[in-house]
Amino acid sequence: LAKITQPISMDSYEGQEVNITCSHNNIATNDYITWYQQFPSQGPRFIIQGYKTKVTNEVASLFIPADRKSSTLSLPRVSLSDTAVYYCLVFDSNYQLIWGAGTKLIIKP
Amino acid sequence: ETGVTQTPRHLVMGMTNKKSLKCEQHLGHNAMYWYKQSAKKPLELMFVYNFKEQTENNSVPSRFSPECPNSSHLFLHLHTLQPEDSALYLCASSPDWIKQFFGPGTRLTVL
Repeated sequence: LAKITQPISMDSYEGQEVNITCSHNNIATNDYITWYQQFPSQGPRFIIQGYKTKVTNEVASLFIPADRKSSTLSLPRVSLSDTAVYYCLVFDSNYQLIWGAGTKLIIKP
Repeated sequence: ETGVTQTPRHLVMGMTNKKSLKCEQHLGHNAMYWYKQSAKKPLELMFVYNFKEQTENNSVPSRFSPECPNSSHLFLHLHTLQPEDSALYLCASSPDWIKQFFGPGTRLTVL
């Protein structure tokens, strides 16, 4: 069974780049890794997905090394509104959905 | 707005009550999910429906009973719940099993 580890919490300041890493072993070899953002009293919201190497969209980048045992969500120039909980989601080798426990990101002025 | 709605948003029930949670999506997605989110615990996948057929039931107690009458609606029927079942219940839909669209959730309190 895949095991996901991500930091419980992180702090940063407005304008900084923030990197959140998720460690995941024994994941499916042919499925995407996805990241979600959740604000209080709301459901999680999809941010980005990737399979390998680097993916970039209008809000974030996702770096996945060749061994796919980890992934790093990069948020460029964060603002106070990026304060949220961030989750990574993978499929394990049995194609079961596995969610990380979430990283609480706090952005300070 | 994600296109996934859930009602009610808040629910308080006693342990002997029967209630139902409703989820609706008109995004044309074929997969729908129920999740439980408790404080300080990861999201717990409860049930998955694909094309109205239940494809996963992750060892959920029988006091939770899902129903998917069509690809746009999903229900979670609740009966004889326990206080530890108090949580945020989230519904999601997906077109491709990768990107999930979540509703706002129902905050359930069992007294």
